[in-house]
Amino acid sequence: DTGVSQDPRHKITKRGQNVTFRCDPISEHNRLYWYRQTLGQGPEFLTYFQNEAQLEKSRLLSDRFSAERPKGSFSTLEIQRTEQGDSAMYLCASSWQENYGYTFGSGTRLTVV
Amino acid sequence: GQQLNQSPQSMFIQEGEDVSMNCTSSSIFNTWLWYKQDPGEGPVLLIALYKAGELTSNGRLTAQFGITRKDSFLNISASIPSDVGIYFCAGGSQGNLIFGKGTKLSVKP
Repeated sequence: DTGVSQDPRHKITKRGQNVTFRCDPISEHNRLYWYRQTLGQGPEFLTYFQNEAQLEKSRLLSDRFSAERPKGSFSTLEIQRTEQGDSAMYLCASSWQENYGYTFGSGTRLTVV
Repeated sequence: GQQLNQSPQSMFIQEGEDVSMNCTSSSIFNTWLWYKQDPGEGPVLLIALYKAGELTSNGRLTAQFGITRKDSFLNISASIPSDVGIYFCAGGSQGNLIFGKGTKLSVKP
């Protein structure tokens, strides 16, 4: 197993465009998490899935954000009508059940210009 | 909402020195974890603590889960150059992790 994979590693987009990120978790892990990290801050929780069910969403996840995990394996995070404030590193992590020892991916760095 | 206060924000180390950092919270957590993040990468788990009062080591790293469940510390003994990076504490409850703002470790010029 190669760990948690995120694609793309970097994305530059113009304000107003839609972007989609993909996360492939560790195959045995049933929980998948999305976090956002801005410069000088720790990761902030966005949402998590157990299998294909989205169990919790943060207030940070505005209506422009949507996450899916259709078959309980990989997940996508879409941001519609991007704004400059969306510029951040988007981190995906996975774990088995409530084992808090999450394994993080390398992240997708989004720059909105 | 829950917040973690991590200190110090930054520190300089000289090879061989011991390093200490801590994290406090206004809320109780069931789990405390410590992660290290290198530039452009995701955080990597160093130590996980699951029980109040627990003291756990991982090589030169030692961490403790405070007895009140509202704090934790991380010590690094005999620091080496590859210890530089950003260290995050994280508290776990209700299915997700809350992270501190990090302690940036740099090498003394």
